[in-house]
Amino acid sequence: DAMVIQNPRYQVTQFGKPVTLSCSQTLNHNVMYWYQQKSSQAPKLLFHYYDKDFNNEADTPDNFQSRRPNTSFCFLDIRSPGLGDAAMYLCATSSDWGVFNTGELFFGEGSRLTVL
Amino acid sequence: QQQVKQSPQSLIVQKGGISIINCAYENTAFDYFPWYQQFPGKGPALLIAIRPDVSEKKEGRFTISFNKSAKQFSLHIMDSQPGDSATYFCAANTGNQFYFGTGTSLTVIP
Repeated sequence: DAMVIQNPRYQVTQFGKPVTLSCSQTLNHNVMYWYQQKSSQAPKLLFHYYDKDFNNEADTPDNFQSRRPNTSFCFLDIRSPGLGDAAMYLCATSSDWGVFNTGELFFGEGSRLTVL
Repeated sequence: QQQVKQSPQSLIVQKGGISIINCAYENTAFDYFPWYQQFPGKGPALLIAIRPDVSEKKEGRFTISFNKSAKQFSLHIMDSQPGDSATYFCAANTGNQFYFGTGTSLTVIP
């Protein structure tokens, strides 16, 4: 059974048209992450939530926002997508125990964003 | 600034051969060094991980070698199989921060 579920798997939007990507988890993990992965590149951390505490990476553009209404759900909002925002967006989760004992992140299958 | 540097970018190995992927880091605060495997269209999945107080960890055909003084670690895939063809990412974490290498695309030729 899928433990980290991302929707939609594929999203096509027009330049400047807002997009929301969603992530849900059944693991009850307290930490949730959003990564941006462009073709043949490493996943790049955009931000993460530790419980309700939001942690933004210094180089994450203001165009990217996130919401975590509860433990299970997290959303990535791209307010005005540009052509350079076309990428795979990966949601991941971890727990305190996992971080300190296994170093493991659990990833969803990603949402591929195309900007026309 | 790339926190974790990975090489090679791509690797082609014959079935049964040994695949070796190398990574290097600078931040001595890193607590864990996991390797992730990613198949096309899927999210990365943990393959094997090592802590800096251990020099080697083996799980089946996969081995991590860790050199703390050189700040380097590597993944060895023994008896490589076509099903191992995927992209491999090394990573390093400190607290809740995870940083990934740029990935190695491995192709195992039957």
